[in-house]
Amino acid sequence: GAVVSQHPSWVICKSGTSVKIECRSLDFQATTMFWYRQFPKQSLMLMATSNEGSKATYEQGVEKDKFLINHASLTLSTLTVTSAHPEDSSFYICSARDYRGLETQYFGPGTRLLVL
Amino acid sequence: AQSVTQLDSHVSVSEGTPVLLRCNYSSSYSPSLFWYVQHPNKGLQLLLKYTSAATLVKGINGFEAEFKKSETSFHLTKPSAHMSDAAEYFCVVRGSSNTGKLIFGQGTTLQVKP
Repeated sequence: GAVVSQHPSWVICKSGTSVKIECRSLDFQATTMFWYRQFPKQSLMLMATSNEGSKATYEQGVEKDKFLINHASLTLSTLTVTSAHPEDSSFYICSARDYRGLETQYFGPGTRLLVL
Repeated sequence: AQSVTQLDSHVSVSEGTPVLLRCNYSSSYSPSLFWYVQHPNKGLQLLLKYTSAATLVKGINGFEAEFKKSETSFHLTKPSAHMSDAAEYFCVVRGSSNTGKLIFGQGTTLQVKP
């Protein structure tokens, strides 16, 4: 149980285009999902907290107009990288917190984005 | 504010020997601490967690960690390393708010030599 999926697993796009990444909790309901960014050989940095039915809360320094987050249901959150640039190339990871518990987050396998 | 520091960026052990990955934390109250493992091209997997119950926490795959308040440490250990243990390990503390935000350490790469 407690499986989180991400789609796509990797994507290559041209500079200036937008890319949408989906995060789904497959066997549990998640009132809160989190989006992280990980650069090569570095740790995970939290970008934003996504709550079902409300606006996402962004971490300091993260552009909310560039990284659009939608959490329309208890099992799906999406991250859209708008007008992508090469510096947006990274590994994006989502996690989901079971609505019944506070402590444990379940992580998706990640999406590797390459912007040319 | 809560934070964690992983003292080693890279640890190399031989197969069958003990593993020690060190983590120190900083917290203004009793923290919730976690160890996650990240294998290449796979999602992060929870190894174990401490949430103010027993100070010695047993996790999956033979790993365990001991919460030592006096030393503000939460080191991860395993008696005997397997080749499959080679991965990136993250020590994590839960943030102070009720949002459940996690704060990650810098990560430790574990190399297991045959």
